[in-house]
Amino acid sequence: NAGVTQTPKFRILKIGQSMTLQCTQDMNHNYMYWYRQDPGMGLKLIYYSVGAGITDKGEVPNGYNVSRSTTEDFPLRLELAAPSQTSVYFCASYSGGYTFGSGTRLTVV
Amino acid sequence: TQLLEQSPQFLSIQEGENLTVYCNSSSVFSSLQWYRQEPGEGPVLLVTVVTGGEVKKLKRLTFQFGDARKDSSLHITAAQPGDTGLYLCAGARGYGQNFVFGPGTRLSALP
Repeated sequence: NAGVTQTPKFRILKIGQSMTLQCTQDMNHNYMYWYRQDPGMGLKLIYYSVGAGITDKGEVPNGYNVSRSTTEDFPLRLELAAPSQTSVYFCASYSGGYTFGSGTRLTVV
Repeated sequence: TQLLEQSPQFLSIQEGENLTVYCNSSSVFSSLQWYRQEPGEGPVLLVTVVTGGEVKKLKRLTFQFGDARKDSSLHITAAQPGDTGLYLCAGARGYGQNFVFGPGTRLSALP
């Protein structure tokens, strides 16, 4: 029972590069989320999805994109990486409570 | 401006001591959750409270939801080193609404 799986665990990007953070869940949850966590700031919602084919912006969506083609997968795309996107990214699914992945630590230099 | 405030920001205590951390807001929440996060991992759900004045116990942890559903507290009795972590509260403002997270209280329980 894997829960929510995120890859990669660590990544260093140069300014202007792009990458996709992968997220998959095996609990058949409809609701999925992407958060970023910065020191002392808690978790900020980037994008969320209430089911396959449906996505919506959260509090801090600029510079990111998502897709939800299946119930299991919810990848987060960073286009033209900027230093402000240095953060720890968490994917989560929700059914009465959040189940979080173990996070991706991204550094943009 | 944080919708949810947590205090204290940092707390360092000795094993066996009791402690209380707080989660406060000017907004009313339909439900509130507490999570614990250990280094290098995602947050893990501890409890959900939904009724004003509700008290829930989880072993040595006692959670209380304020009568007006604007605040909550977490009390730990006889802290152990395994309690070390970042404690996050998260509130939902309506049924089906996304939760907003507080900044967390970082607890160090020293042996």
